[in-house]
Amino acid sequence: GQQVMQIPQYQHVQEGEDFTTYCNSSTTLSNIQWYKQRPGGHPVFLIQLVKSGEVKKQKRLTFQFGEAKKNSSLHITATQTTDVGTYFCAAPGGTYKYIFGTGTRLKVLA
Amino acid sequence: GAGVSQSPSNKVTEKGKDVELRCDPISGHTALYWYRQSLGQGLEFLIYFQGNSAPDKSGLPSDRFSAERTGGSVSTLTIQRTQQEDSAVYLCASSLGSGGRRSDTQYFGPGTRLTVL
Repeated sequence: GQQVMQIPQYQHVQEGEDFTTYCNSSTTLSNIQWYKQRPGGHPVFLIQLVKSGEVKKQKRLTFQFGEAKKNSSLHITATQTTDVGTYFCAAPGGTYKYIFGTGTRLKVLA
Repeated sequence: GAGVSQSPSNKVTEKGKDVELRCDPISGHTALYWYRQSLGQGLEFLIYFQGNSAPDKSGLPSDRFSAERTGGSVSTLTIQRTQQEDSAVYLCASSLGSGGRRSDTQYFGPGTRLTVL
């Protein structure tokens, strides 16, 4: 079946350092979504990418969809303590059904 | 407007008992999803409902798990004869489900933390 893998599983960074998480699919995707889950909270939608090679920015966050539409990345520039949480990618697994990646847990050390 | 609500927020039960978890989606959202998240783990898809279509039950881990959605709105996830490995946070999400680029953004509820003793 379809698999969505994320690396790394965990990342600890010093505040101010950059952070990147990668999402890889076993199949070509029509789109990919990213969610953030704060500790003790629930996932919150961040963005959806649709086009091959698409790059979108939200303040310090940069999202990229691979040319082959099988991978995606989320890069955070100059991390802050508010960036702490788990970042999930989610890929379509059927009409309106999404398969969530394994997640990358980010810890930011002040 | 109101977001997705779930009840109860916490549920402690004894092994072998049945439990019912409730989800109230955002008004007008036709798609509703249930996920399970064990401590420190990712989201495990359980089931999803889309309008009046037959639900996609492909993620239910065993026949002890069932869910229904009445009137296209509120959904109940039932776990019969609970086991300790059922302990997890059960998350519900809803989306517009009507097609289009933004229609499948999922809005999550706060979850129900289930503990089976």
